[in-house]
Amino acid sequence: EVVLTQSPGTLSLSPGESATLSCRASQSVSSSYLAWYQQSPGQAPRLLIYGSTSRATGIPDRFSGSGSGTDFTLTISKLEPEDFAVYYCQQYGGSPTWTFGQGTKVEIK
Amino acid sequence: QVQLVESGGGLVKPGGSLRLSCAASGFMFRNSYMSWIRQAPGKGLEWVSYISARSTYTDYADSVKGRFTISRDNVDTLYLQMNSLRAEDTAVYYCARLEREVWYFDLWGRGTLVTVSS
Repeated sequence: EVVLTQSPGTLSLSPGESATLSCRASQSVSSSYLAWYQQSPGQAPRLLIYGSTSRATGIPDRFSGSGSGTDFTLTISKLEPEDFAVYYCQQYGGSPTWTFGQGTKVEIK
Repeated sequence: QVQLVESGGGLVKPGGSLRLSCAASGFMFRNSYMSWIRQAPGKGLEWVSYISARSTYTDYADSVKGRFTISRDNVDTLYLQMNSLRAEDTAVYYCARLEREVWYFDLWGRGTLVTVSS
Protein backbone atom coordinates (compact mmCIF):
# COMPACT_ATOMS: atom_id res chain seq x y z
CA GLU A 1 0.00 0.00 0.00
CA VAL A 2 1.25 3.45 -0.90
CA VAL A 3 1.76 5.74 2.08
CA LEU A 4 1.50 9.48 1.52
CA THR A 5 3.49 11.73 3.87
CA GLN A 6 2.65 15.42 3.91
CA SER A 7 4.93 18.15 5.16
CA PRO A 8 5.04 20.34 7.02
CA GLY A 9 2.39 19.38 9.53
CA THR A 10 1.56 23.02 10.11
CA LEU A 11 2.43 26.09 8.07
CA SER A 12 2.11 29.50 9.77
CA LEU A 13 1.77 32.29 7.23
CA SER A 14 0.24 35.72 6.79
CA PRO A 15 -2.41 36.66 4.24
CA GLY A 16 -0.76 37.62 0.98
CA GLU A 17 2.13 35.21 1.44
CA SER A 18 2.62 32.06 -0.61
CA ALA A 19 2.34 28.50 0.70
CA THR A 20 4.17 25.42 -0.53
CA LEU A 21 2.81 22.07 0.64
CA SER A 22 4.58 18.78 0.01
CA CYS A 23 3.18 15.28 -0.49
CA ARG A 24 5.68 12.43 -0.71
CA ALA A 25 4.67 8.89 -1.70
CA SER A 26 6.36 5.73 -0.41
CA GLN A 27 6.52 4.47 -4.00
CA SER A 28 5.96 5.97 -7.41
CA VAL A 29 2.43 7.21 -8.08
CA SER A 30 0.88 7.96 -11.45
CA SER A 31 0.48 11.71 -11.80
CA SER A 32 -2.98 11.07 -13.20
CA TYR A 33 -4.08 9.65 -9.88
CA LEU A 34 -2.91 12.36 -7.47
CA ALA A 35 -5.43 14.86 -6.09
CA TRP A 36 -5.53 17.61 -3.46
CA TYR A 37 -8.42 18.64 -1.19
CA GLN A 38 -9.09 21.57 1.11
CA GLN A 39 -11.01 21.17 4.35
CA SER A 40 -12.11 24.23 6.28
CA PRO A 41 -13.17 23.82 9.94
CA GLY A 42 -16.47 21.98 10.28
CA GLN A 43 -16.76 21.54 6.54
CA ALA A 44 -16.52 18.64 4.12
CA PRO A 45 -13.39 18.36 2.01
CA ARG A 46 -13.44 20.16 -1.33
CA LEU A 47 -11.59 19.00 -4.44
CA LEU A 48 -8.91 21.48 -5.50
CA ILE A 49 -6.57 19.68 -7.87
CA TYR A 50 -6.82 16.41 -9.79
CA GLY A 51 -4.39 14.68 -12.11
CA SER A 52 -1.66 16.40 -10.02
CA THR A 53 -1.97 19.69 -11.98
CA SER A 54 -5.57 20.30 -13.11
CA ARG A 55 -7.73 22.70 -11.12
CA ALA A 56 -11.25 21.58 -10.30
CA THR A 57 -14.21 23.65 -11.43
CA GLY A 58 -14.41 26.99 -9.67
CA ILE A 59 -10.98 26.79 -8.02
CA PRO A 60 -9.06 30.07 -8.32
CA ASP A 61 -5.80 30.13 -10.22
CA ARG A 62 -3.78 30.97 -7.11
CA PHE A 63 -3.93 27.22 -6.44
CA SER A 64 -1.52 25.14 -8.51
CA GLY A 65 -0.25 21.58 -8.37
CA SER A 66 2.95 20.04 -9.65
CA GLY A 67 5.16 17.01 -9.31
CA SER A 68 5.65 13.45 -10.47
CA GLY A 69 6.83 10.07 -9.28
CA THR A 70 7.03 10.28 -5.51
CA ASP A 71 7.09 14.05 -4.95
CA PHE A 72 4.09 16.32 -5.41
CA THR A 73 3.49 19.94 -4.43
CA LEU A 74 0.50 22.18 -3.88
CA THR A 75 1.29 25.88 -4.12
CA ILE A 76 -1.04 28.63 -2.98
CA SER A 77 0.07 32.06 -4.09
CA LYS A 78 -1.09 35.17 -2.22
CA LEU A 79 -3.04 33.52 0.59
CA GLU A 80 -6.59 34.79 1.09
CA PRO A 81 -8.33 34.57 4.50
CA GLU A 82 -10.49 31.66 3.26
CA ASP A 83 -7.39 29.65 2.33
CA PHE A 84 -6.45 28.97 5.94
CA ALA A 85 -7.53 25.37 6.25
CA VAL A 86 -6.23 21.80 6.22
CA TYR A 87 -5.04 20.34 2.92
CA TYR A 88 -4.90 16.64 2.03
CA CYS A 89 -3.28 14.85 -0.86
CA GLN A 90 -4.85 11.62 -2.12
CA GLN A 91 -3.81 8.90 -4.51
CA TYR A 92 -5.57 6.03 -6.25
CA GLY A 93 -3.57 2.86 -5.96
CA GLY A 94 -5.56 0.40 -8.00
CA SER A 95 -7.02 -2.84 -6.49
CA PRO A 96 -8.98 -0.50 -5.96
CA THR A 97 -7.76 1.50 -2.99
CA TRP A 98 -7.50 5.17 -2.18
CA THR A 99 -5.14 6.64 0.40
CA PHE A 100 -4.84 10.12 1.87
CA GLY A 101 -1.96 11.96 3.42
CA GLN A 102 -2.27 13.00 7.05
CA GLY A 103 -2.86 16.64 6.14
CA THR A 104 -1.10 19.99 6.34
CA LYS A 105 -2.71 22.77 8.32
CA VAL A 106 -2.20 26.28 6.96
CA GLU A 107 -2.78 28.68 9.83
CA ILE A 108 -2.67 32.43 10.21
CA LYS A 109 0.60 33.65 11.66
CA GLN B 1 -28.74 21.91 -6.81
CA VAL B 2 -25.93 19.37 -7.01
CA GLN B 3 -25.52 17.91 -3.55
CA LEU B 4 -25.14 14.88 -1.31
CA VAL B 5 -26.83 14.74 2.10
CA GLU B 6 -25.93 12.05 4.62
CA SER B 7 -28.14 10.85 7.46
CA GLY B 8 -28.45 8.01 9.94
CA GLY B 9 -25.54 8.70 12.24
CA GLY B 10 -25.80 8.57 16.00
CA LEU B 11 -24.65 6.89 19.18
CA VAL B 12 -24.42 3.11 19.17
CA LYS B 13 -22.93 0.59 21.58
CA PRO B 14 -19.94 -1.57 20.64
CA GLY B 15 -21.16 -4.59 18.69
CA GLY B 16 -24.21 -2.72 17.47
CA SER B 17 -25.37 -1.82 13.98
CA LEU B 18 -26.24 1.34 12.10
CA ARG B 19 -27.33 2.13 8.57
CA LEU B 20 -26.21 5.35 6.93
CA SER B 21 -27.96 6.91 3.95
CA CYS B 22 -26.80 9.47 1.43
CA ALA B 23 -29.38 11.29 -0.71
CA ALA B 24 -28.13 12.59 -4.04
CA SER B 25 -29.67 15.36 -6.11
CA GLY B 26 -28.87 17.54 -9.12
CA PHE B 27 -26.86 14.97 -11.10
CA MET B 28 -27.21 11.56 -12.74
CA PHE B 29 -26.80 9.43 -9.65
CA ARG B 30 -27.51 6.18 -11.47
CA ASN B 31 -24.48 6.76 -13.73
CA SER B 32 -22.15 7.69 -10.89
CA TYR B 33 -19.66 5.65 -8.91
CA MET B 34 -19.98 6.43 -5.21
CA SER B 35 -17.91 6.02 -2.10
CA TRP B 36 -17.87 6.38 1.68
CA ILE B 37 -14.95 8.08 3.42
CA ARG B 38 -14.60 8.64 7.15
CA GLN B 39 -12.73 10.97 9.45
CA ALA B 40 -12.14 10.10 13.10
CA PRO B 41 -12.27 13.07 15.51
CA GLY B 42 -9.22 15.25 14.98
CA LYS B 43 -7.76 12.83 12.44
CA GLY B 44 -7.28 12.58 8.70
CA LEU B 45 -9.38 11.01 5.97
CA GLU B 46 -9.77 7.27 5.47
CA TRP B 47 -11.43 5.67 2.44
CA VAL B 48 -14.02 3.09 3.55
CA SER B 49 -15.83 1.65 0.53
CA TYR B 50 -16.89 2.21 -3.06
CA ILE B 51 -19.64 0.95 -5.39
CA SER B 52 -19.92 1.09 -9.16
CA ALA B 53 -22.83 2.67 -10.98
CA ARG B 54 -24.77 -0.58 -11.50
CA SER B 55 -23.63 -2.11 -8.18
CA THR B 56 -21.56 -4.63 -10.14
CA TYR B 57 -18.39 -3.80 -8.24
CA THR B 58 -17.84 -3.01 -4.58
CA ASP B 59 -14.79 -2.97 -2.36
CA TYR B 60 -13.84 -2.14 1.20
CA ALA B 61 -10.92 -1.02 3.30
CA ASP B 62 -9.41 -3.89 5.27
CA SER B 63 -10.47 -2.16 8.50
CA VAL B 64 -14.18 -2.64 7.69
CA LYS B 65 -14.20 -5.67 5.39
CA GLY B 66 -16.71 -8.28 6.54
CA ARG B 67 -18.52 -5.80 8.81
CA PHE B 68 -19.71 -3.03 6.48
CA THR B 69 -21.84 -3.35 3.34
CA ILE B 70 -22.29 -0.65 0.72
CA SER B 71 -25.37 -0.58 -1.50
CA ARG B 72 -27.50 1.79 -3.55
CA ASP B 73 -30.92 2.07 -5.09
CA ASN B 74 -31.54 2.86 -8.75
CA VAL B 75 -32.77 6.36 -8.08
CA ASP B 76 -30.86 8.59 -5.69
CA THR B 77 -29.69 6.96 -2.46
CA LEU B 78 -26.46 5.38 -1.30
CA TYR B 79 -26.29 3.25 1.83
CA LEU B 80 -23.72 1.92 4.27
CA GLN B 81 -24.79 -0.90 6.56
CA MET B 82 -22.40 -1.05 9.51
CA ASN B 83 -22.41 -4.13 11.75
CA SER B 84 -20.23 -5.25 14.67
CA LEU B 85 -19.28 -1.67 15.34
CA ARG B 86 -16.15 -0.88 17.32
CA ALA B 87 -14.95 2.19 19.18
CA GLU B 88 -12.44 2.81 16.39
CA ASP B 89 -15.30 3.20 13.91
CA THR B 90 -16.22 6.48 15.61
CA ALA B 91 -15.97 9.12 12.91
CA VAL B 92 -17.75 11.52 10.62
CA TYR B 93 -18.81 9.52 7.58
CA TYR B 94 -18.88 11.33 4.24
CA CYS B 95 -20.39 10.08 1.04
CA ALA B 96 -18.63 11.23 -2.10
CA ARG B 97 -19.04 10.94 -5.83
CA LEU B 98 -16.16 9.18 -7.49
CA GLU B 99 -14.82 10.33 -10.86
CA ARG B 100 -14.09 7.04 -12.52
CA GLU B 101 -11.40 7.84 -15.10
CA VAL B 102 -8.74 9.29 -12.85
CA TRP B 103 -10.37 8.24 -9.60
CA TYR B 104 -10.83 11.29 -7.43
CA PHE B 105 -13.73 12.43 -5.27
CA ASP B 106 -15.34 15.43 -6.93
CA LEU B 107 -18.44 15.97 -4.78
CA TRP B 108 -18.77 15.46 -1.04
CA GLY B 109 -21.61 15.58 1.44
CA ARG B 110 -21.36 17.37 4.77
CA GLY B 111 -21.08 14.11 6.70
CA THR B 112 -22.87 12.32 9.53
CA LEU B 113 -21.29 11.52 12.89
CA VAL B 114 -21.18 7.96 14.17
CA THR B 115 -20.17 7.47 17.79
CA VAL B 116 -19.52 3.97 19.09
CA SER B 117 -19.44 3.98 22.88
CA SER B 118 -20.92 2.13 25.82
